[in-house]
Amino acid sequence: QVQLVQSGAEVKKPGSSVKVSCKASGGTFSSYDISWVRQAPGQGLEWMGRMTPVSGRKNYAQKFQGRVTMTADRSTSIAYMEMSSLRSEDTAVYYCAREISSNWFDSWGQGTLVTVSS
Amino acid sequence: DIQMTQSPSSLSASVGDRVTITCRASQRISSYLNWYQHIPGKAPKLLIFDASSLESGVPSRFSGSGSGTVFTLTISSLQSEDFANYFCQQSYSLPHTFGQGTKLEI
Repeated sequence: QVQLVQSGAEVKKPGSSVKVSCKASGGTFSSYDISWVRQAPGQGLEWMGRMTPVSGRKNYAQKFQGRVTMTADRSTSIAYMEMSSLRSEDTAVYYCAREISSNWFDSWGQGTLVTVSS
Repeated sequence: DIQMTQSPSSLSASVGDRVTITCRASQRISSYLNWYQHIPGKAPKLLIFDASSLESGVPSRFSGSGSGTVFTLTISSLQSEDFANYFCQQSYSLPHTFGQGTKLEI
């Protein structure tokens, strides 16, 4: 079973960018999609998009188009999610998750808290 | 986007109880429905995929059913470690969308 380990908590100023990493171990990294999901305080889960490391294919939720970039380094099995033009509403826990058959998420990272505050 | 409506939003129960959580989709999604357990501070855990398939390693007291627009997650006999948050997710079409969650508490 693959394990996903994310980078640590971040505090950012409004208007800045953040880059969260997600390292996969114990399984094949490149064969599956890596999705990013966030949960703002008191809110439900929100899917942001996904990428397939082996092909570079990406699908972004319309809400995040133009503001989020997902990349992956196959040599180190690390996926990245970078979000720009941060605002207070982006304060949330961000999760990476392995997506199976473009369908369900069988492994999740532990989450990265991103706080956007002036 | 497909809207997922989960009920109840919270549920009080006791060890040994049978509980059912319902998830309704705003349009038909066949069996493209998955269930997760989430304990705050920990990674979410897949319980059920494709509406009724039990993920490997998940106790058999968890079961899922439904197709089309109405789905249920049932825990047949609650154990202390089951008190957590539960949410559904549709994968019929992008963007994947989630229910708002059900908090299961004592």
